Amino acid sequence: QQQVKQSPQSLIVQKGGISIINCAYENTAFDYFPWYQQFPGKGPALLIAIRPDVSEKKEGRFTISFNKSAKQFSLHIMDSQPGDSATYFCAASMVQGGSEKLVFGKGTKLTVNP
Amino acid sequence: DTGVSQDPRHKITKRGQNVTFRCDPISEHNRLYWYRQTLGQGPEFLTYFQNEAQLEKSRLLSDRFSAERPKGSFSTLEIQRTEQGDSAMYLCASSPAPGLGRDEQFFGPGTRLTVL
Repeated sequence: QQQVKQSPQSLIVQKGGISIINCAYENTAFDYFPWYQQFPGKGPALLIAIRPDVSEKKEGRFTISFNKSAKQFSLHIMDSQPGDSATYFCAASMVQGGSEKLVFGKGTKLTVNP
Repeated sequence: DTGVSQDPRHKITKRGQNVTFRCDPISEHNRLYWYRQTLGQGPEFLTYFQNEAQLEKSRLLSDRFSAERPKGSFSTLEIQRTEQGDSAMYLCASSPAPGLGRDEQFFGPGTRLTVL
């Protein structure tokens, strides 16, 4: 049972373009939605996160759009750069017994061509 | 370096052998998580510690897997009688004590296990 579905599996954009990655979740108890960036050989690193009480959050070139009624959220990377080439994971979590275990999507491999 | 560290970074073993991985979380982080990541997939939750107490275990954690966090500091993950299906990246993450907001989980670089 995959609780967080992510698309596309891979994405190629030109430098300066907009990268868009989409995720959908099933469990309405989720209340925290982070995006992680992972480079080869490294662990995931938090990029940006959102709570469901807001519809959008922006940090620099990265924006999360959140649609609670549709149970969907997306990551937009503006002015994409070759250094953004990495695998991106959406995730969701809720507090349960003190644990905030993350449920991850399958990831999107982003390639930004120079 | 004050980040999460894991040791070893790579481990190659033969089927049937036991292996043990170590995770050193960020100092003062009392919450520690183990995840497993297979090729082309996102990390999957294995187990959670708050201080030294193991409070949650995934169904993915079979009887061959055991995790400890003595004294609430570093943690170890042991896999007994390894199988080829255990080949994966094992990630450790830590986060501080629960606060008013949601706390970031800081991931280590992972231990890549290959079972031959």
